[in-house]
Amino acid sequence: EVQLVESGGGLVQPGGSLRLSCAASGFTFSSYDMNWVRQAPGKGLEWVSYISSSSSTIYYADSVKGRFTISRDIARNSLSLQMNSLRVEDTAVYYCARRAGFLDYWGQGTLVTVSS
Amino acid sequence: QSALTQRRSVSGSPGQPVTISCTGTSSDIGAYNYVSWYQQHPNKAPKLMIYDVSKRPSGVPDRFSGSKSGNTASLTISGLQAEDEADYYCCSYAGSYLFGTGTKVTVL
Repeated sequence: EVQLVESGGGLVQPGGSLRLSCAASGFTFSSYDMNWVRQAPGKGLEWVSYISSSSSTIYYADSVKGRFTISRDIARNSLSLQMNSLRVEDTAVYYCARRAGFLDYWGQGTLVTVSS
Repeated sequence: QSALTQRRSVSGSPGQPVTISCTGTSSDIGAYNYVSWYQQHPNKAPKLMIYDVSKRPSGVPDRFSGSKSGNTASLTISGLQAEDEADYYCCSYAGSYLFGTGTKVTVL
């Protein structure tokens, strides 16, 4: 069974940093591209970042470019999102999602709250 | 890129059909057959319902179907059931993922 479990969310002040993790199991992690998608409270879904299976290709949404860094650890079957210079508007539930062309499996999400 | 446009809400009685539309542009929905639909119940993760415009993943009831015409994609629930009450998001892949604004489906 495919499982994606996010962790690392919490309350952080504006300008602060946070590192999210996503533990993958039930599939060959090294064979799949992965993504981060977020959802602000009461709002819709917003794609945040993409990393290819080999980590050779990485993309970011303009809203996070230069502040967020996506990475993956094949040995640990883990996806990460390093978030720096956080803003109030980054407050959201962050989901990791597996890509099979479309986003076929999602984790349960981890809440990031940026507030003073 | 702006979000794809969806009607804010639709409703129907049990057993009735409902259709949710998703409007994009010739650069996203109109350009590729990479439209997917996600169902999201309150405080739950999105669930894939339709991919590649009209394909249904294993386990998704066949009352869910998808289609596309020009720059507009549609999700139809042929016979609404109580458990279908949720938010639905369309998504178009065009180098990155562009989501719709979301439609709340209410079962009367």
